[in-house]
Amino acid sequence: DAGITQSPRYKITETGRQVTLMCHQTWSHSYMFWYRQDLGHGLRLIYYSAAADITDKGEVPDGYVVSRSKTENFPLTLESATRSQTSVYFCASGRDPPYNEQFFGPGTRLTVL
Amino acid sequence: AQSVTQLDSQVPVFEEAPVELRCNYSSSVSVYLFWYVQYPNQGLQLLLKYLSGSTLVKGINGFEAEFNKSQTSFHLRKPSVHISDTAEYFCAVSEPGGSYIPTFGRGTSLIVHP
Repeated sequence: DAGITQSPRYKITETGRQVTLMCHQTWSHSYMFWYRQDLGHGLRLIYYSAAADITDKGEVPDGYVVSRSKTENFPLTLESATRSQTSVYFCASGRDPPYNEQFFGPGTRLTVL
Repeated sequence: AQSVTQLDSQVPVFEEAPVELRCNYSSSVSVYLFWYVQYPNQGLQLLLKYLSGSTLVKGINGFEAEFNKSQTSFHLRKPSVHISDTAEYFCAVSEPGGSYIPTFGRGTSLIVHP
């Protein structure tokens, strides 16, 4: 299917466990992003990638790791999950400049117990 | 550095009434401006965007926005809302030729009452 997909859609884990959230896009967009959405904070950028093998930190990168070996995939790993990482995570891909608009996945709701 | 302020966290309105969601931005250079909508339990989707040209931009679902450079605003309007417009709305700004990374406002929750 064309578009951007995230898996899993829902995840419950325990403090200290490693969790990986997957993101896949079929448009071959250069840019990809990971956001977390929390009540009162709107969207906060965790990491982004301008191309395969190029990643950079966003506003709230601590506790997260990303990689991008292929253009279409951008997994996000929580190395040792904490309760403060309970959130809804959105992946997005971005059209190249000058368009700059983003296409969002459906989100992953993560609960850390 | 760019920033976005959405002045209202929540806007209640009755069905078929007009609505305006306010967005102000701060940037020292020219900007691209966007409005996104997020329906419950879904990701964000683009409503409309301003890149250049006409300051009045029309989007999907009957929404429109006007870019006002002197007031650094990009308010979103709809002349008659429906129950189905109940959602979270996000304004975003990015700078052409800059880092590309858009800055999002904190969102405005539009609640349409019957």
